Amino acid sequence: QQQVKQSPQSLIVQKGGISIINCAYENTAFDYFPWYQQFPGKGPALLIAIRPDVSEKKEGRFTISFNKSAKQFSLHIMDSQPGDSATYFCAASTGYGGATNKLIFGTGTLLAVQP
Amino acid sequence: GAVVSQHPSWVICKSGTSVKIECRSLDFQATTMFWYRQFPKQSLMLMATSNEGSKATYEQGVEKDKFLINHASLTLSTLTVTSAHPEDSSFYICSVNKPAGATEAFFGQGTRLTVV
Repeated sequence: QQQVKQSPQSLIVQKGGISIINCAYENTAFDYFPWYQQFPGKGPALLIAIRPDVSEKKEGRFTISFNKSAKQFSLHIMDSQPGDSATYFCAASTGYGGATNKLIFGTGTLLAVQP
Repeated sequence: GAVVSQHPSWVICKSGTSVKIECRSLDFQATTMFWYRQFPKQSLMLMATSNEGSKATYEQGVEKDKFLINHASLTLSTLTVTSAHPEDSSFYICSVNKPAGATEAFFGQGTRLTVV
């Protein structure tokens, strides 16, 4: 119940294309769903996050789509650039990601954007 | 600038020795910090929750006597890998959540531990 399933494991996209990464969860108590970007040898950095009371959130080229009934959420990267090449992790937590709430991470997606 | 500072960035040690990794919250006080472990091309696995002034809470399967956590102040948590073995070689990352009322988790830059 604590798992967050992520797909695909790897993704190759042409520059300017749309990258789409999907995640699914089981625990209906989760109420905070962030996406993190990680470059090799670095810690993850928050990209964008959503709460289940909205179905979509957009920040620049990054959009989260959230389907509460299906218990699924996805990250869309519009106009993908070579600099977006990194590993992306979805995550989930309860308690609206408060100070003491731990994150459960998906398995990660290695994105390669070809020039 | 960095919100969470982790030190060292990388360390090589001999089998049987102990290694200490520091995690500092630079921008705010943190009664709770989290320690993760990440193997190459794998996800982050939560090891333990570090609690200021009290014992850490370890995830199932994590040996608390091997991975000692000390959270002695509101801005510093340390992870000590005791009697390190090659299988302990990994990327260790700490994180801090913003204080209650906010949502973002900040991660340190990670520590690459290699045990030879």
